[in-house]
Amino acid sequence: EAGVTQFPSHSVIEKGQTVTLRCDPISGHDNLYWYRRVMGKEIKFLLHFVKESKQDESGMPNNRFLAERTGGTYSTLKVQPAELEDSGVYFCASSQVRGSTEAFFGQGTRLTVV
Amino acid sequence: AQSVTQPDIHITVSEGASLELRCNYSYGATPYLFWYVQSPGQGLQLLLKYFSGDTLVQGIKGFEAEFKRSQSSFNLRKPSVHWSDAAEYFCAVGAFTGNQFYFGTGTSLTVIP
Repeated sequence: EAGVTQFPSHSVIEKGQTVTLRCDPISGHDNLYWYRRVMGKEIKFLLHFVKESKQDESGMPNNRFLAERTGGTYSTLKVQPAELEDSGVYFCASSQVRGSTEAFFGQGTRLTVV
Repeated sequence: AQSVTQPDIHITVSEGASLELRCNYSYGATPYLFWYVQSPGQGLQLLLKYFSGDTLVQGIKGFEAEFKRSQSSFNLRKPSVHWSDAAEYFCAVGAFTGNQFYFGTGTSLTVIP
């Protein structure tokens, strides 16, 4: 069974550009989470989808970040326009059951804004 | 407020030596505790988790962790470290019905021959 897959693994963009990160959860997992780790800091929650609905987006830093999960399958996280402080590793996780009991994480996308 | 503290940013141990990674948490409800490991180029892999019951939990790769409620700690241990254990380790706390984990800042482990 395939795990959580994230694309791309690395992205380097200039300040002001747009970047879209993609996450493919484990098949059948209704719950999808986005997290971010800024260099040297803790991994922080961004938002949680249940199927295609945003359940909790309290961690989204500002309105330059837009997450979607059309059809309740894969999810995208768009940053527009990107700023230097957006650099970090973006992790996606999915779980079959709501809650923190069994979440599977992807390998992350390392975003560098220059 | 919920938080997790991993006081050791970086640890170096010799192969074959024992290891203990520290984790302290602050959480308003009954905590569910986790240790994850991230090896270079890999995702976060769950090592072990504690929900209830026996406070000493066994995980994969020979790791174990002990929950101490009185100390709000969940330290990770391994009796004999292997070179392949070199990675970054994250402690996390969550709730059964919660939407999110709260992670520590991670501890980077270097293993020397």
